[in-house]
Amino acid sequence: AQTVTQSQPEMSVQEAETVTLSCTYDTSESDYYLFWYKQPPSRQMILVIRQEAYKQQNATENRFSVNFQKAAKSFSLKISDSQLGDAAMYFCAANRDDKIIFGKGTRLHILP
Amino acid sequence: SQTIHQWPATLVQPVGSPLSLECTVEGTSNPNLYWYRQAAGRGLQLLFYSVGIGQISSEVPQNLSASRPQDRQFILSSKKLLLSDSGFYLCAWSPGITGTQYFGPGTRLLVL
Repeated sequence: AQTVTQSQPEMSVQEAETVTLSCTYDTSESDYYLFWYKQPPSRQMILVIRQEAYKQQNATENRFSVNFQKAAKSFSLKISDSQLGDAAMYFCAANRDDKIIFGKGTRLHILP
Repeated sequence: SQTIHQWPATLVQPVGSPLSLECTVEGTSNPNLYWYRQAAGRGLQLLFYSVGIGQISSEVPQNLSASRPQDRQFILSSKKLLLSDSGFYLCAWSPGITGTQYFGPGTRLLVL
């Protein structure tokens, strides 16, 4: 069965610093997509970044980047220059057929 | 551009009353549609998904049901609400190619 594991339930980072959120996954698919979603206090789920497994280049979106290690099935999210607005729950996810499998989430606190 | 709407935003209902939550998508055709439930501080639980009109797949057996009467409309229903139905309900749509899902603002349901 496909699984997504986030081993850090909570993390804290000082404003303007860099933080990395960890994620590992297990899949038997050869082609798949990986995602990071952000859920701020409003609770709406917002897509942060997406990685296509067949692409070796790590995806980047402004201050957000990923470290995709396909052989290790690892997909971490790096947030640079952390801002107060980055405080949220972050979910790692992987697609399976027409569905997405989500991890349990990491709550990120930004310390002013 | 595509947008997704959910209503109502908040709902307080007595136990045993019926439920109808609506989700509509604009700016796309034949999307995959999804209903999720999220308990406070928890991850997302997929309830139903649909890949076309009248096609509904149920992930979790319970007293909820879903219908897709039109291409871009997805409805979550219950004939008799239980206390355990309280939670945050999220609707999402996907173009189905990359698996990326885009979420609506959600509905907070409190069953008393």
